[in-house]
Amino acid sequence: DTEVTQTPKHLVMGMTNKKSLKCEQHMGHRAMYWYKQKAKKPPELMFVYSYEKLSINESVPSRFSPECPNSSLLNLHLHALQPEDSALYLCASSQDKGATGGSYEQYFGPGTRLTVT
Amino acid sequence: AQSVAQPEDQVNVAEGNPLTVKCTYSVSGNPYLFWYVQYPNRGLQFLLKYITGDNLVKGSYGFEAEFNKSQTSFHLKKPSALVSDSALYFCAVRDILTGGGNKLTFGTGTQLKVEL
Repeated sequence: DTEVTQTPKHLVMGMTNKKSLKCEQHMGHRAMYWYKQKAKKPPELMFVYSYEKLSINESVPSRFSPECPNSSLLNLHLHALQPEDSALYLCASSQDKGATGGSYEQYFGPGTRLTVT
Repeated sequence: AQSVAQPEDQVNVAEGNPLTVKCTYSVSGNPYLFWYVQYPNRGLQFLLKYITGDNLVKGSYGFEAEFNKSQTSFHLKKPSALVSDSALYFCAVRDILTGGGNKLTFGTGTQLKVEL
């Protein structure tokens, strides 16, 4: 099974709201990722978690707060977003260092379409 | 810094004809290269990868890619295109992160349109 699930599929929020995006995988992957994607553009890496620890924060504004509560789950907490934050948010997972025979391709979820009003 | 380039924003091909989506890369060391496809309002689907070994890599849905070290290219190919292949295609190169995980650097994407 190479499935990554994301909820919700769509989210509309005001600039003063607090919401969370959720991501789950059961492939035993120990690396998980958040990306932001604008229409017709490549995904932009936001955060990388490795063995539940934050490995990379690509200079993302603090209004985005990631959390990795266990090896299968990844959350993205949203607060005081701006209209320009409207985008498709993608979660991905991959094998990580220490995995035998791994080639580390990333598997993506279907995304959450976020609209900030 | 590692990078990939997709020189064509859009490729049009007739159904049943062969298709090629181009990708060139710039890396230090051995490249780890990937192709992904994205259908409208969907996430990215992994198609195939080149790590080492045979220069012709076979992947999902009848796609294959040819790794050419001298031309630093990794073009995606399919012998006979289907209308259902119409989608956005991304080439990517992988960096291993010292803190764990790996970083994919994507090309700008190529929109493939297959017409009847």
